[in-house]
Amino acid sequence: KNEVEQSPQNLTAQEGEFITINCSYSVGISALHWLQQHPGGGIVSLFMLSSGKKKHGRLIATINIQEKHSSLHITASHPRDSAVYICAAAVNQGGKLIFGQGTELSVKP
Amino acid sequence: GAVVSQHPSRVICKSGTSVKIECRSLDFQATTMFWYRQFPKQSLMLMATSNEGSKATYEQGVEKDKFLINHASLTLSTLTVTSAHPEDSSFYICSVQSGGLQETQYFGPGTRLLVL
Repeated sequence: KNEVEQSPQNLTAQEGEFITINCSYSVGISALHWLQQHPGGGIVSLFMLSSGKKKHGRLIATINIQEKHSSLHITASHPRDSAVYICAAAVNQGGKLIFGQGTELSVKP
Repeated sequence: GAVVSQHPSRVICKSGTSVKIECRSLDFQATTMFWYRQFPKQSLMLMATSNEGSKATYEQGVEKDKFLINHASLTLSTLTVTSAHPEDSSFYICSVQSGGLQETQYFGPGTRLLVL
């Protein structure tokens, strides 16, 4: 069993739909990262959170430390949101990350 | 603008040759950089932690003599794939962690290596 598990692995949505991607982890963490990887490979850090909830535009990330679970929500999804979304657990203050398998999202117009 | 750059972005080489990949932190000094490898349709795997002025820390299963890491300055780390083989073909990505209370990881654009 992976230390960081994501679900679903693949997700197809219609434009405008509300999307949720889940991440569960079994290790102790100092923070949880949500990353976005586009087809070309470049990775962008979306959120880093250690408690509660963060919002940036149409993206919302939440984390429940007790349940070791985090979710990434996309409201009013758009085809340009199509990408692979990866959660990563920071297991120490030094920055070492353990990655989930990624969720490949495709938003159809 | 970009916070982390990598060079080259893409490289094709013959089996047996060595390939050097550079990772530069453009916006801040970084005592620590990270090197990851990603195979197609798989997630990133941490290869090693590059420490400025000292030896890199390699993850289990990563051959330190094959993947040479040099962190020559506070803004540059290099990964050299020595005697490359086709199974080394992969996407190599570096990252830099900013300091302070809001630590964020900034990822380089990646280097796609194809060994023929």
